[in-house]
Amino acid sequence: NAGVTQTPKFQVLKTGQSMTLQCAQDMNHEYMSWYRQDPGMGLRLIHYSVGAGITDQGEVPNGYNVSRSTTEDFPLRLLSAAPSQTSVYFCASSYSGVLNTEAFFGQGTRLTVV
Amino acid sequence: DAKTTQPPSMDCAEGRAANLPCNHSTISGNEYVYWYRQIHSQGPQYIIHGLKNNETNEMASLIITEDRKSSTLILPHATLRDTAVYYCIVRIYGSGNTGKLIFGQGTTLQVKP
Repeated sequence: NAGVTQTPKFQVLKTGQSMTLQCAQDMNHEYMSWYRQDPGMGLRLIHYSVGAGITDQGEVPNGYNVSRSTTEDFPLRLLSAAPSQTSVYFCASSYSGVLNTEAFFGQGTRLTVV
Repeated sequence: DAKTTQPPSMDCAEGRAANLPCNHSTISGNEYVYWYRQIHSQGPQYIIHGLKNNETNEMASLIITEDRKSSTLILPHATLRDTAVYYCIVRIYGSGNTGKLIFGQGTTLQVKP
């Protein structure tokens, strides 16, 4: 059971480049989320999804796109990278429904935009 | 989701109990209190959650006041490996649950030998 897998672990981009951060989970979780964490800060919610085909914006969605074509995958796209997007990105997943269960986090993608 | 307030940092001696407070005075009746921790910039790790009763698991205990406006996470015998940032999060449950978590700044716990 791999849990939540994020790739790549590290990435350096030039300003204006685009890329996709990958997130996959093998726990059949319906809920998935993306967060960013800047140095010395808590995590901030970028986008989230309550199931395949359904996504919504979080606290800091600008500059990022998401889609959820399958239950397992929730990629985060940077269309035109900016230095302000230098951060550590975390993906999380959890069960849906009325049960209050824990969220599982990936190990993060460390992105530097130069 | 209700906001939470935590002290920015705390110290604890190794082997002693670490008591981490959290204020959530605007919590609603359908919101749970969750605790997560983040060790060394790894992904956050779930610790415990509760609604109104005290809860205990293999990692920690959670004490929620009767009015539910504050709570305390207790690590009964802190070790150096418990040095981390601890986040107290209030999260709605039931049909309004979307799985998203709103993180504050957390408390940096430093366990000292």
